[in-house]
Amino acid sequence: KQEVTQIPAALSVPEGENLVLNCSFTDSAIYNLQWFRQDPGKGLTSLLLIQSSQREQTSGRLNASLDKSSGRSTLYIAASQPGDSATYLCAVPNQAGTALIFGKGTTLSVSS
Amino acid sequence: NAGVMQNPRHLVRRRGQEARLRCSPMKGHSHVYWYRQLPEEGLKFMVYLQKENIIDESGMPKERFSAEFPKEGPSILRIQQVVRGDSAAYFCASSTGQAGINQPQHFGDGTRLSIL
Repeated sequence: KQEVTQIPAALSVPEGENLVLNCSFTDSAIYNLQWFRQDPGKGLTSLLLIQSSQREQTSGRLNASLDKSSGRSTLYIAASQPGDSATYLCAVPNQAGTALIFGKGTTLSVSS
Repeated sequence: NAGVMQNPRHLVRRRGQEARLRCSPMKGHSHVYWYRQLPEEGLKFMVYLQKENIIDESGMPKERFSAEFPKEGPSILRIQQVVRGDSAAYFCASSTGQAGINQPQHFGDGTRLSIL
């Protein structure tokens, strides 16, 4: 049974720092991995989707990497800003491809 | 571009009442997914529907919960005889194809259900 774990659960950094969020999954046979952002009281915004054949994806200050063999993904945020404060979730599809399995998220706080 | 629309945003019910949550997918999307987020828990899959069909309901409790996605109109998640443990945020997502393979899911802002 696929399980997704995110470490750390919470992270506080000063503005301007580069940071890394971690995601691990137990079954390496995944179709893709997706990173989301969730603001308080809001839904999820998709940030990056990495296909199983890809090693990384970039969007602006965000870079996500995928290492299927070790069951890990990282989300790198460069030059963090207070507006980056949110909960970041990673998710992988289940084996049937009918649902996403989520980690519990990392809550990021960037202070000015 | 209208995203996934969920209503109501907040819903308060007393124990034993019925709750109806609505979800209108993005234009052109025929695949709908419902997830539940309990306090201090991650998002958990409930049910996956295509127009008029339930494809996967493995995450939905067998009793009191039902879902539909009619040919016309929004998808409905229905909870009968609500209990305090049903208090949670319920999120709907939609996609153009089967999202597990290569289509991203787009999420609504959720419905916060509170049971008194």
